Amino acid sequence: AQSVSQHNHHVILSEAASLELGCNYSYGGTVNLFWYVQYPGQHLQLLLKYFSGDPLVKGIKGFEAEFIKSKFSFNLRKPSVQWSDTAEYFCAVNPTGTYKYIFGTGTRLKVLA
Amino acid sequence: GAGVSQSPSNKVTEKGKDVELRCDPISGHTALYWYRQSLGQGLEFLIYFQGNSAPDKSGLPSDRFSAERTGGSVSTLTIQRTQQEDSAVYLCASIRSGPSGETQYFGPGTRLLVL
Repeated sequence: AQSVSQHNHHVILSEAASLELGCNYSYGGTVNLFWYVQYPGQHLQLLLKYFSGDPLVKGIKGFEAEFIKSKFSFNLRKPSVQWSDTAEYFCAVNPTGTYKYIFGTGTRLKVLA
Repeated sequence: GAGVSQSPSNKVTEKGKDVELRCDPISGHTALYWYRQSLGQGLEFLIYFQGNSAPDKSGLPSDRFSAERTGGSVSTLTIQRTQQEDSAVYLCASIRSGPSGETQYFGPGTRLLVL
């Protein structure tokens, strides 16, 4: 069955630390990849997405993610986190040509001021 | 323009009662999804509507769950004879077209608590 794994369930960092959140998926075909963020009290919103082309994609607020096809991974990175990045982050996979979106269980990030 | 809206934002009900959750997608979006998010879990797919096509109901957890979409716009998710395990956040999302990789836009969710 198709699945998405987010290895880190809770991450605590100090401001200015670097961030990398892991995301791996199990699906043999082509995929579209997404990271969503849910800030406290707010709804899910798109952080960045990969459909094709350059495997390094840049999103809002200084976030980026790299698609490594051979590793079935789409890790999220940010060089220097801020307190306002405290949120829950969800990775999602959409097998190309389907309407199914498979979400990971999320990673709760807490950034200490 | 306006985003996806959902109502009510919170719903507390007693076990055995029926509840109806509403989703207003973004105008012009033809596809609509319902998801369930339980504590500590990812988003669980429930149902998918695309235009006038028959919906994909494969994610509905039991026959107590049903959904409809009227006029290709507003959708309602109905849970009959609610159980405590139905307590969760129910999310609605819409996209502009079919299975071609477009982005989902999520509503704020309805937080359901079954006592």
